[in-house]
Amino acid sequence: AQSVTQLGSHVSVSEGALVLLRCNYSSSVPPYLFWYVQYPNQGLQLLLKYTTGATLVKGINGFEAEFKKSETSFHLTKPSAHMSDAAEYFCAVSEVDFGNEKLTFGTGTRLTIIP
Amino acid sequence: DTEVTQTPKHLVMGMTNKKSLKCEQHMGHRAMYWYKQKAKKPPELMFVYSYEKLSINESVPSRFSPECPNSSLLNLHLHALQPEDSALYLCASSQVWTSDSPLHFGNGTRLTVT
Repeated sequence: AQSVTQLGSHVSVSEGALVLLRCNYSSSVPPYLFWYVQYPNQGLQLLLKYTTGATLVKGINGFEAEFKKSETSFHLTKPSAHMSDAAEYFCAVSEVDFGNEKLTFGTGTRLTIIP
Repeated sequence: DTEVTQTPKHLVMGMTNKKSLKCEQHMGHRAMYWYKQKAKKPPELMFVYSYEKLSINESVPSRFSPECPNSSLLNLHLHALQPEDSALYLCASSQVWTSDSPLHFGNGTRLTVT
Protein backbone atom coordinates (compact mmCIF):
# COMPACT_ATOMS: atom_id res chain seq x y z
CA ALA A 1 0.00 0.00 0.00
CA GLN A 2 1.21 3.47 -0.80
CA SER A 3 1.14 6.57 1.34
CA VAL A 4 2.67 10.02 1.41
CA THR A 5 3.51 12.32 4.30
CA GLN A 6 4.03 16.03 3.98
CA LEU A 7 5.87 17.50 6.94
CA GLY A 8 4.51 20.89 7.90
CA SER A 9 0.98 21.91 7.03
CA HIS A 10 2.12 25.54 6.87
CA VAL A 11 5.43 26.95 5.69
CA SER A 12 6.31 30.66 5.61
CA VAL A 13 9.34 32.05 3.82
CA SER A 14 10.48 35.54 2.97
CA GLU A 15 10.39 36.73 -0.62
CA GLY A 16 13.70 35.79 -2.24
CA ALA A 17 14.46 33.04 0.28
CA LEU A 18 14.79 29.32 -0.37
CA VAL A 19 11.57 27.31 -0.50
CA LEU A 20 11.73 23.75 0.86
CA LEU A 21 8.58 21.64 1.10
CA ARG A 22 9.06 18.15 2.47
CA CYS A 23 7.50 14.94 1.21
CA ASN A 24 8.17 11.36 2.28
CA TYR A 25 6.50 8.37 0.70
CA SER A 26 5.87 4.74 1.38
CA SER A 27 5.51 2.30 -1.48
CA SER A 28 5.92 -1.42 -1.91
CA VAL A 29 7.15 -1.00 -5.49
CA PRO A 30 9.13 1.73 -7.27
CA PRO A 31 6.81 4.72 -7.11
CA TYR A 32 5.81 7.45 -9.45
CA LEU A 33 5.88 10.78 -7.60
CA PHE A 34 4.22 14.09 -8.35
CA TRP A 35 3.95 17.60 -6.97
CA TYR A 36 0.80 19.59 -7.66
CA VAL A 37 0.03 23.22 -6.79
CA GLN A 38 -3.40 24.66 -6.05
CA TYR A 39 -4.02 28.40 -6.12
CA PRO A 40 -7.11 29.79 -4.36
CA ASN A 41 -10.39 28.92 -6.07
CA GLN A 42 -8.65 26.82 -8.70
CA GLY A 43 -7.99 23.18 -9.46
CA LEU A 44 -4.65 21.47 -9.09
CA GLN A 45 -1.84 22.04 -11.58
CA LEU A 46 1.07 19.67 -12.14
CA LEU A 47 4.41 21.18 -11.08
CA LEU A 48 6.63 18.18 -11.85
CA LYS A 49 6.76 14.41 -11.82
CA TYR A 50 9.27 11.61 -11.32
CA THR A 51 8.74 8.32 -13.11
CA THR A 52 12.13 6.85 -14.03
CA GLY A 53 15.57 8.11 -14.98
CA ALA A 54 17.19 11.25 -13.62
CA THR A 55 16.45 11.69 -9.93
CA LEU A 56 16.58 15.50 -10.05
CA VAL A 57 13.41 16.67 -11.74
CA LYS A 58 12.83 20.21 -12.93
CA GLY A 59 9.33 21.60 -13.12
CA ILE A 60 7.48 24.77 -13.95
CA ASN A 61 7.91 28.13 -12.22
CA GLY A 62 11.50 27.38 -11.18
CA PHE A 63 10.64 24.45 -8.89
CA GLU A 64 12.58 21.21 -8.75
CA ALA A 65 12.51 18.04 -6.68
CA GLU A 66 14.96 15.24 -6.02
CA PHE A 67 13.96 11.60 -5.68
CA LYS A 68 16.03 9.97 -2.92
CA LYS A 69 15.23 6.29 -2.69
CA SER A 70 17.41 5.72 0.39
CA GLU A 71 15.50 8.41 2.28
CA THR A 72 12.11 7.70 0.64
CA SER A 73 11.84 11.42 0.03
CA PHE A 74 10.80 13.73 -2.79
CA HIS A 75 11.27 17.24 -1.38
CA LEU A 76 10.29 20.27 -3.45
CA THR A 77 12.63 23.26 -3.64
CA LYS A 78 12.90 26.65 -5.27
CA PRO A 79 16.00 28.83 -4.81
CA SER A 80 14.20 32.17 -4.54
CA ALA A 81 10.57 32.55 -3.47
CA HIS A 82 8.25 34.90 -5.29
CA MET A 83 4.99 36.34 -4.01
CA SER A 84 3.13 34.43 -6.72
CA ASP A 85 4.30 31.13 -5.19
CA ALA A 86 1.81 31.49 -2.33
CA ALA A 87 -0.49 28.48 -2.71
CA GLU A 88 -1.27 24.98 -1.43
CA TYR A 89 1.17 22.28 -2.53
CA PHE A 90 0.33 18.58 -2.68
CA CYS A 91 2.78 15.72 -3.00
CA ALA A 92 1.31 12.55 -4.51
CA VAL A 93 2.41 8.96 -5.10
CA SER A 94 1.16 6.40 -7.58
CA GLU A 95 1.98 2.72 -7.89
CA VAL A 96 1.79 0.44 -10.90
CA ASP A 97 -1.24 -1.64 -10.00
CA PHE A 98 -2.90 -2.71 -13.22
CA GLY A 99 -6.58 -2.11 -13.13
CA ASN A 100 -6.34 -0.12 -9.94
CA GLU A 101 -3.98 2.77 -10.61
CA LYS A 102 -4.68 5.41 -8.01
CA LEU A 103 -3.01 8.60 -7.00
CA THR A 104 -2.59 9.09 -3.24
CA PHE A 105 -2.26 12.70 -2.16
CA GLY A 106 -0.52 14.05 0.90
CA THR A 107 -2.42 16.36 3.21
CA GLY A 108 -0.91 19.45 1.63
CA THR A 109 1.39 22.29 2.66
CA ARG A 110 0.22 25.88 2.55
CA LEU A 111 3.07 28.14 1.48
CA THR A 112 2.97 31.77 2.60
CA ILE A 113 5.42 34.31 1.23
CA ILE A 114 6.40 37.18 3.50
CA PRO A 115 7.10 40.45 1.66
CA ASP B 1 -6.45 28.92 -18.58
CA THR B 2 -7.35 25.34 -17.84
CA GLU B 3 -7.90 22.83 -20.63
CA VAL B 4 -10.52 21.02 -18.55
CA THR B 5 -13.70 23.07 -18.35
CA GLN B 6 -16.21 22.62 -15.54
CA THR B 7 -19.67 24.14 -15.26
CA PRO B 8 -21.16 25.65 -13.27
CA LYS B 9 -18.47 27.36 -11.19
CA HIS B 10 -20.82 27.65 -8.21
CA LEU B 11 -23.98 25.74 -7.33
CA VAL B 12 -26.36 26.07 -4.41
CA MET B 13 -28.98 23.37 -4.11
CA GLY B 14 -31.51 22.13 -1.60
CA MET B 15 -31.58 18.60 -0.33
CA THR B 16 -34.53 17.68 -2.54
CA ASN B 17 -33.09 19.12 -5.75
CA LYS B 18 -31.62 17.29 -8.73
CA LYS B 19 -28.71 18.94 -10.48
CA SER B 20 -25.78 17.98 -12.71
CA LEU B 21 -22.16 19.02 -12.86
CA LYS B 22 -20.50 19.03 -16.27
CA CYS B 23 -16.92 18.58 -17.37
CA GLU B 24 -15.38 18.78 -20.84
CA GLN B 25 -11.87 18.25 -22.21
CA HIS B 26 -10.58 18.46 -25.77
CA MET B 27 -7.08 17.10 -25.25
CA GLY B 28 -7.94 13.64 -26.56
CA HIS B 29 -7.54 12.14 -23.11
CA ARG B 30 -9.12 8.72 -22.56
CA ALA B 31 -9.34 8.77 -18.76
CA MET B 32 -11.55 11.12 -16.76
CA TYR B 33 -12.03 11.47 -13.03
CA TRP B 34 -14.27 13.04 -10.40
CA TYR B 35 -12.70 14.19 -7.15
CA LYS B 36 -14.26 15.73 -4.06
CA GLN B 37 -12.26 18.25 -2.03
CA LYS B 38 -13.29 19.56 1.37
CA ALA B 39 -11.73 22.74 2.73
CA LYS B 40 -8.07 22.41 3.74
CA LYS B 41 -8.00 18.75 2.64
CA PRO B 42 -6.51 16.92 -0.35
CA PRO B 43 -8.78 15.75 -3.17
CA GLU B 44 -10.52 12.41 -2.66
CA LEU B 45 -11.16 10.18 -5.67
CA MET B 46 -14.80 9.39 -6.39
CA PHE B 47 -14.92 7.85 -9.88
CA VAL B 48 -12.60 6.93 -12.75
CA TYR B 49 -13.70 6.43 -16.33
CA SER B 50 -11.28 4.78 -18.71
CA TYR B 51 -12.28 4.66 -22.38
CA GLU B 52 -15.78 5.74 -21.32
CA LYS B 53 -16.17 2.76 -19.01
CA LEU B 54 -16.53 3.20 -15.26
CA SER B 55 -13.40 1.66 -13.81
CA ILE B 56 -13.35 2.83 -10.21
CA ASN B 57 -16.22 3.70 -7.91
CA GLU B 58 -14.80 4.50 -4.52
CA SER B 59 -17.85 3.43 -2.51
CA VAL B 60 -19.51 6.74 -3.20
CA PRO B 61 -23.16 7.05 -2.06
CA SER B 62 -25.75 6.45 -4.76
CA ARG B 63 -26.93 10.05 -4.52
CA PHE B 64 -23.91 10.74 -6.76
CA SER B 65 -24.30 9.24 -10.23
CA PRO B 66 -21.57 9.65 -12.86
CA GLU B 67 -22.08 9.53 -16.59
CA CYS B 68 -19.59 9.59 -19.46
CA PRO B 69 -21.53 10.28 -22.70
CA ASN B 70 -18.35 10.31 -24.81
CA SER B 71 -14.61 10.57 -24.47
CA SER B 72 -14.72 14.36 -24.05
CA LEU B 73 -17.57 14.73 -21.58
CA LEU B 74 -18.12 13.71 -18.00
CA ASN B 75 -21.19 14.48 -15.91
CA LEU B 76 -21.98 14.05 -12.25
CA HIS B 77 -25.67 13.82 -11.45
CA LEU B 78 -26.69 14.89 -7.95
CA HIS B 79 -29.88 13.93 -6.13
CA ALA B 80 -31.02 14.18 -2.53
CA LEU B 81 -27.68 15.46 -1.29
CA GLN B 82 -26.83 16.16 2.32
CA PRO B 83 -25.24 19.33 3.75
CA GLU B 84 -22.02 17.38 4.36
CA ASP B 85 -21.75 16.93 0.59
CA SER B 86 -20.89 20.62 0.30
CA ALA B 87 -17.40 20.74 -1.21
CA LEU B 88 -15.35 21.60 -4.26
CA TYR B 89 -15.93 19.00 -6.96
CA LEU B 90 -12.99 18.64 -9.32
CA CYS B 91 -12.94 16.98 -12.69
CA ALA B 92 -9.64 15.75 -14.10
CA SER B 93 -8.40 13.95 -17.18
CA SER B 94 -5.26 12.12 -18.23
CA GLN B 95 -4.00 10.69 -21.51
CA VAL B 96 -4.68 7.19 -20.31
CA TRP B 97 -5.37 5.57 -16.96
CA THR B 98 -1.85 4.64 -15.91
CA SER B 99 0.24 5.38 -12.88
CA ASP B 100 2.64 7.71 -14.69
CA SER B 101 0.04 9.74 -16.56
CA PRO B 102 -0.36 13.13 -14.82
CA LEU B 103 -3.79 14.58 -14.15
CA HIS B 104 -5.09 17.77 -15.70
CA PHE B 105 -7.65 19.38 -13.40
CA GLY B 106 -10.49 21.77 -14.04
CA ASN B 107 -11.12 24.68 -11.69
CA GLY B 108 -13.95 22.87 -9.99
CA THR B 109 -17.56 23.44 -9.05
CA ARG B 110 -18.10 24.88 -5.58
CA LEU B 111 -21.21 23.08 -4.32
CA THR B 112 -23.26 24.22 -1.34
CA VAL B 113 -26.12 22.03 -0.12
CA THR B 114 -28.67 23.84 2.04
